[in-house]
Amino acid sequence: DTGVSQNPRHKITKRGQNVTFRCDPISEHNRLYWYRQTLGQGPEFLTYFQNEAQLEKSRLLSDRFSAERPKGSFSTLEIQRTEQGDSAMYLCASSPGLAGGPGTQYFGPGTRLTVL
Amino acid sequence: AQSVTQLGSHVSVSEGALVLLRCNYSSSVPPYLFWYVQYPNQGLQLLLKYTSAATLVKGINGFEAEFKKSETSFHLTKPSAHMSDAAEYFCAVSYSGNTPLVFGKGTRLSVIA
Repeated sequence: DTGVSQNPRHKITKRGQNVTFRCDPISEHNRLYWYRQTLGQGPEFLTYFQNEAQLEKSRLLSDRFSAERPKGSFSTLEIQRTEQGDSAMYLCASSPGLAGGPGTQYFGPGTRLTVL
Repeated sequence: AQSVTQLGSHVSVSEGALVLLRCNYSSSVPPYLFWYVQYPNQGLQLLLKYTSAATLVKGINGFEAEFKKSETSFHLTKPSAHMSDAAEYFCAVSYSGNTPLVFGKGTRLSVIA
């Protein structure tokens, strides 16, 4: 069990640029989640996948955001035309899914995005 | 809809003193409840979870929490604080462990020597 990994750990970009983050879940975990955490706040849900299917998207996920999980393995979160308000920590988590019973979400270290 | 309220954005205790971090939840169905800890610039680590079994849940690092349905509470306690406990603590609620978590705003715990 190597844990959830996220890359890059830090990203600094200029307003208007596109950025992409990657998340590698714990192997054999079929659910994968993205959350966003701003300073002084708890994480807020963005979207999640069961294998390659995107099951739910939060209203926080504007049309500038897109997430994919091809082949049900790693996932990418892309933000187009970044805005300063997108500056946050983006957290990825995975869980075993229904087969694992009540389940526990295991979090990665996060990607900190700074938009200048 | 589900929600979590954590009372006190900052709690300060002396080393060796009791730690009590408060969490109240709102849920239309029997909830699953979680406590996570976050150290600076790191992700979240699970401390413990309640999944409708025993109401007193023991977690890692000496923490425990008690589910009280009548009070809609899930407070986190530790008998004796250690300097290494200084961190941000988040309470979260979910319909199950496999559905999105709804987090509280967090409580920052400081431990004074």
